[in-house]
Amino acid sequence: KNEVEQSPQNLTAQEGEFITINCSYSVGISALHWLQQHPGGGIVSLFMLSSGKKKHGRLIATINIQEKHSSLHITASHPRDSAVYICAVKSETSGSRLTFGEGTQLTVNP
Amino acid sequence: ETGVTQTPRHLVMGMTNKKSLKCEQHLGHNAMYWYKQSAKKPLELMFVYSLEERVENNSVPSRFSPECPNSSHLFLHLHTLQPEDSALYLCASSQGRGGLKTQYFGPGTRLLVL
Repeated sequence: KNEVEQSPQNLTAQEGEFITINCSYSVGISALHWLQQHPGGGIVSLFMLSSGKKKHGRLIATINIQEKHSSLHITASHPRDSAVYICAVKSETSGSRLTFGEGTQLTVNP
Repeated sequence: ETGVTQTPRHLVMGMTNKKSLKCEQHLGHNAMYWYKQSAKKPLELMFVYSLEERVENNSVPSRFSPECPNSSHLFLHLHTLQPEDSALYLCASSQGRGGLKTQYFGPGTRLLVL
């Protein structure tokens, strides 16, 4: 079992739909990251969370430390949101290392 | 544009070639990372450099040799690679290597080993 599990692995939505991607982890962490990877490989860091909730534009990320769970929400989804979304955690003892989930492939159709 | 650039963006090499990947960060960070992303697998951390000193090496084969001449530049020297080394190689940087830090990634070099 991976230390970081994401669901779903693949998600197809219609433009305008509300989207949720989930991440569960099994270790104590100091931070959790949500990353976005576009076709071609480039990765952009979306959020870094240690508690609570963060919002940036149409993106919202939440984390529940007690339940070891985080969600990434996209409101009013758009085809340009199509990408792979990756959850990564920094464990309490791993120093600078991030442990990554396998990613969620999101496709938003017009 | 994330402030981290990588060259080349694409590379095809034979198993007997020697090549180098280059990463440059313009963010004033003091830690840099090499990651490997193979198809349908999570990102794998290969090397971490902090203040130009290698601090982590996750049992990467010796055919991959990193070099960090200063805090802004990071190289990955490649020699006698295998076809299974074909992957996307990503560079990242951060300010500091402990605590709550965000890593900023470059666009990656897509490598094909024939």
